[in-house]
Amino acid sequence: EAGVAQSPRYKIIEKRQSVAFWCNPISGHATLYWYQQILGQGPKLLIQFQNNGVVDDSQLPKDRFSAERLKGVDSTLKIQPAKLEDSAVYLCASSLARLTEAFFGQGTRLTVV
Amino acid sequence: QQQVKQSPQSLIVQKGGISIINCAYENTAFDYFPWYQQFPGKGPALLIAIRPDVSEKKEGRFTISFNKSAKQFSLHIMDSQPGDSATYFCAASGKLTFGEGTQLTVNP
Repeated sequence: EAGVAQSPRYKIIEKRQSVAFWCNPISGHATLYWYQQILGQGPKLLIQFQNNGVVDDSQLPKDRFSAERLKGVDSTLKIQPAKLEDSAVYLCASSLARLTEAFFGQGTRLTVV
Repeated sequence: QQQVKQSPQSLIVQKGGISIINCAYENTAFDYFPWYQQFPGKGPALLIAIRPDVSEKKEGRFTISFNKSAKQFSLHIMDSQPGDSATYFCAASGKLTFGEGTQLTVNP
């Protein structure tokens, strides 16, 4: 079974630039999560999708972050414009349904300079 | 918005010892409590999970103890091994909310 695929693995951008991350979840998984993990901290939920609908985006900074899930499968997370404090690892995870095991991708390490 | 509090931040144990990590949650609507293990450069991976209708779950050397009235749960790693050295996160659902993590080091 293929795991959660994320790209790119690493990205370095200057502040005020824009960046996009891509996630391909495990086939058949209805629930998809995006997390931000700052070095030394636990993952912080940014947005949760159920199929292509948003279940929770209460901690997504909507003035600069946006996310979509196309046809209930792949998802993209965009930051525009980026700030220094956005430097973190962005993790995508998927699960068959709510309250079942969430499988994580390796993440995208973003550095904003 | 800290809904899951985890302790200690770091833990050092000797090979063969018992590692214990504790978590407390606030939201009584949480109904699924997983523990994740994360190695450097990797995403978290599920270790073991429990639902609030049981007080304990054991899988190999890993045990979750759950106290619903106290809103606390803990991870016990028996016979800790150097390969267990990693960062451990408790989480709670509802929405999958993580604690701040415990960096475990098991000395040979």
